[in-house]
Amino acid sequence: GENVEQHPSTLSVQEGDSAVIKCTYSDSASNYFPWYKQELGKGPQLIIDIRSNVGEKKDQRIAVTLNKTAKHFSLHITETQPEDSAVYFCAASRNDYKLSFGAGTTVTVRA
Amino acid sequence: NAGVTQTPKFQVLKTGQSMTLQCAQDMNHEYMSWYRQDPGMGLRLIHYSVGAGITDQGEVPNGYNVSRSTTEDFPLRLLSAAPSQTSVYFCASSLTGTGDTIYFGEGSWLTVV
Repeated sequence: GENVEQHPSTLSVQEGDSAVIKCTYSDSASNYFPWYKQELGKGPQLIIDIRSNVGEKKDQRIAVTLNKTAKHFSLHITETQPEDSAVYFCAASRNDYKLSFGAGTTVTVRA
Repeated sequence: NAGVTQTPKFQVLKTGQSMTLQCAQDMNHEYMSWYRQDPGMGLRLIHYSVGAGITDQGEVPNGYNVSRSTTEDFPLRLLSAAPSQTSVYFCASSLTGTGDTIYFGEGSWLTVV
């Protein structure tokens, strides 16, 4: 099955700086790569996703890049704010509904 | 619009007891699934359903049963609870499962003692 590795496990950034989280996947047939944000006591919420026919996607301060050859994808958050503090999960799937998740990254934005 | 609703939010079980985690969605979504979340392991798929009357196993199905008699409901049954099933359980749904956003419930915290 699919194996998704996520790094780093924790990330502390100064407010206003950028944060980058990286994920690698094992199944070359995976074609859907969503990112979820989970706040304390809540369920994961989709923040951005990318499909294998696209190399980069941006939505305001967040962006995702995909390198199919190297089988890795990354989340970039610019101009971080305190409300960006949360746990972020990457996932991969060869069909949209059977997601394999990374272990998560705890992001702390220091004021 | 309630979205994906899970009950109970917290539950403590004794080893060997059975229980059902309830999940309901009011968005007329065809696809529903259950994940468990353990520290340092992300979320792992337990069971999923692509429509009423259709269920299939995910990555970690042992010890769990599901059924999908209606589009709205997708209960998860623990037949004989074990301490290894202590976890946070999330129900999720999407309109068709293909190309649609997957929405998660707020989670059910289960402790088996």
